Amino acid sequence: SQQGEEDPQALSIQEGENATMNCSYKTSINNLQWYRQNSGRGLVHLILIRSNEREKHSGRLRVTLDTSKKSSSLLITASRAADTASYFCATYHQGAQKLVFGQGTRLTINP
Amino acid sequence: GAGVSQSPSNKVTEKGKDVELRCDPISGHTALYWYRQSLGQGLEFLIYFQGNSAPDKSGLPSDRFSAERTGGSVSTLTIQRTQQEDSAVYLCASSSGQRSLGANVLTFGAGSRLTVL
Repeated sequence: SQQGEEDPQALSIQEGENATMNCSYKTSINNLQWYRQNSGRGLVHLILIRSNEREKHSGRLRVTLDTSKKSSSLLITASRAADTASYFCATYHQGAQKLVFGQGTRLTINP
Repeated sequence: GAGVSQSPSNKVTEKGKDVELRCDPISGHTALYWYRQSLGQGLEFLIYFQGNSAPDKSGLPSDRFSAERTGGSVSTLTIQRTQQEDSAVYLCASSSGQRSLGANVLTFGAGSRLTVL
């Protein structure tokens, strides 16, 4: 399967702490994206990192990509209760036309 | 429209009935995707439309599932003879489909929650 796998499946931390989620995939990619989902409904795009990039920042989000290890991480700094959600990585594989999503990490931020 | 619109938001049906789920993508978006998400699970790819090209149906789980996209805009996902295992949230997403950095960034609808009794 080309599907990405997130790790951990669930993460619970205190407000103000940093949250790190990891994603691994199996085949060469064009880009990797992270999405957020609240309440089991629609997903919202957070950040995209291309295969020739190693790190990208957006506000409190930091994404890294290691193509040699076929892995990515999403770091949320100074977490807030409102960051509580499920986070998914999605990969766009070379030669393919569709985004393939992982199983997601359920993040809970405790006030 | 301003966003991706899906209807109905919730659908309860009896086993064996047919259902139709509708998706209105963002105006001008040429790419349209359907995904399925079971409770607490990831997204399962179902089908992908890009412009006038033949759709990628590789994710449809059985021949009870079909989808069409009329006029390159609105799409309908049809599930015939529904089964209890079809219960899930069906998510539609669209993207510009253009060759650019943001070409395959998806904008999702809120989903249609299907419950088969």
